[in-house]
Amino acid sequence: GQSLEQPSEVTAVEGAIVQINCTYQTSGFYGLSWYQQHDGGAPTFLSYNALDGLEETGRFSSFLSRSDSYGYLLLQELQMKDSASYFCAVQAAGNKLTFGGGTRVLVKP
Amino acid sequence: ETGVTQSPTHLIKTRGQQVTLRCSSQSGHNTVSWYQQALGQGPQFIFQYYREEENGRGNFPPRFSGLQFPNYSSELNVNALELDDSALYLCASSSRQGGYEQYFGPGTRLTVT
Repeated sequence: GQSLEQPSEVTAVEGAIVQINCTYQTSGFYGLSWYQQHDGGAPTFLSYNALDGLEETGRFSSFLSRSDSYGYLLLQELQMKDSASYFCAVQAAGNKLTFGGGTRVLVKP
Repeated sequence: ETGVTQSPTHLIKTRGQQVTLRCSSQSGHNTVSWYQQALGQGPQFIFQYYREEENGRGNFPPRFSGLQFPNYSSELNVNALELDDSALYLCASSSRQGGYEQYFGPGTRLTVT
């Protein structure tokens, strides 16, 4: 089966940088995705890494190391609207997307 | 472009009853996945439908079943409801099976009493 681990909560101030780590165990790994979910809202896709390295999308970047079964999401220039839960998700064989438990990010003024 | 829609928004059922949840996929998407999200947890994969066939399933019992229609809309059926089935049920569509970029609907909040 698959399992993912990520911190449960992170607190930071506006303008700061936050890194959310994700370690995973899976068979038939294809890639690692990141989703954002505001309270009461639906998850929205942020990024995807299939190969090792860093992918940058505006203020958000995502990194993957396949050999270490590890990835992270980097949130830069934090804004109040970034307060949300962030999920890593492994795409694996069987057309299955397995989500981690989520990291709640609280941005303070 | 129409996004993913789900109905109903909220639902209250009694233990032992059956429930049907509905989902309309984003236009142009032929794949629909269903997830169960308990409060404070990540979405758990139930199953995926591609071109009206189930082509992936998570660790959910057979009383969780589904359908996909020719227009790619989908239903999730849950029989013999249990208290632990209380959760947010999310539908997500993508343009291909196993797609990593999934577009989620707002969900149906199911409460089983």
